[in-house]
Amino acid sequence: GAGVSQSPRYKVAKRGQDVALRCDPISGHVSLFWYQQALGQGPEFLTYFQNEAQLDKSGLPSDRFFAERPEGSVSTLKIQRTQQEDSAVYLCASSPNPGNLYGYTFGSGTRLTVV
Amino acid sequence: GQNIDQPTEMTATEGAIVQINCTYQTSGFNGLFWYQQHAGEAPTFLSYNVLDGLEEKGRFSSFLSRSKGYSYLLLKELQMKDSASYLCAVRSRSGGYNKLIFGAGTRLAVHP
Repeated sequence: GAGVSQSPRYKVAKRGQDVALRCDPISGHVSLFWYQQALGQGPEFLTYFQNEAQLDKSGLPSDRFFAERPEGSVSTLKIQRTQQEDSAVYLCASSPNPGNLYGYTFGSGTRLTVV
Repeated sequence: GQNIDQPTEMTATEGAIVQINCTYQTSGFNGLFWYQQHAGEAPTFLSYNVLDGLEEKGRFSSFLSRSKGYSYLLLKELQMKDSASYLCAVRSRSGGYNKLIFGAGTRLAVHP
């Protein structure tokens, strides 16, 4: 596609509910990142994929967070047993290759509100 | 550890010039980016510096000093639409790939 697409755009979840957030990167992009952005803060790194391989998951806040990219294109971030502190915007970004010179293209994000 | 500092908020007048500073301490430094983010929208790429000096791009310029761990973004001829958050991000190389580490962002309000 022309850009990075994320869905849903907004998600309200009850505390304890599981959620799945989807990212469609730009076609052919090798690198895919997930970031979490709390209100008034900069994006915080969660995890990185190179094709289907998850090379870095050091930013995932707890074992309730899980990400996958099984075919090296679409990625899903799953949060189990959501808590109020999980409320944030979840951004996905992709780049053509790991050595990309000019940065990454971000999606518009999924705003998750846990009530 | 990784640390990126930038002012939380700034205000400026339409038509003026504003400079947003960023200081950083990171390992594996491999370039510094500035992004613009309007409320509720995705960050969009503004500029990139990997060598010391000034990069100019229309109304926007960005400066880098690697020895000082310092960068600034200069916005000239400010317009109302420039009201947004400006994110300083360091690209850090580790494990064979690059990762962007962001500061908290500077919210710029442009007034008439």
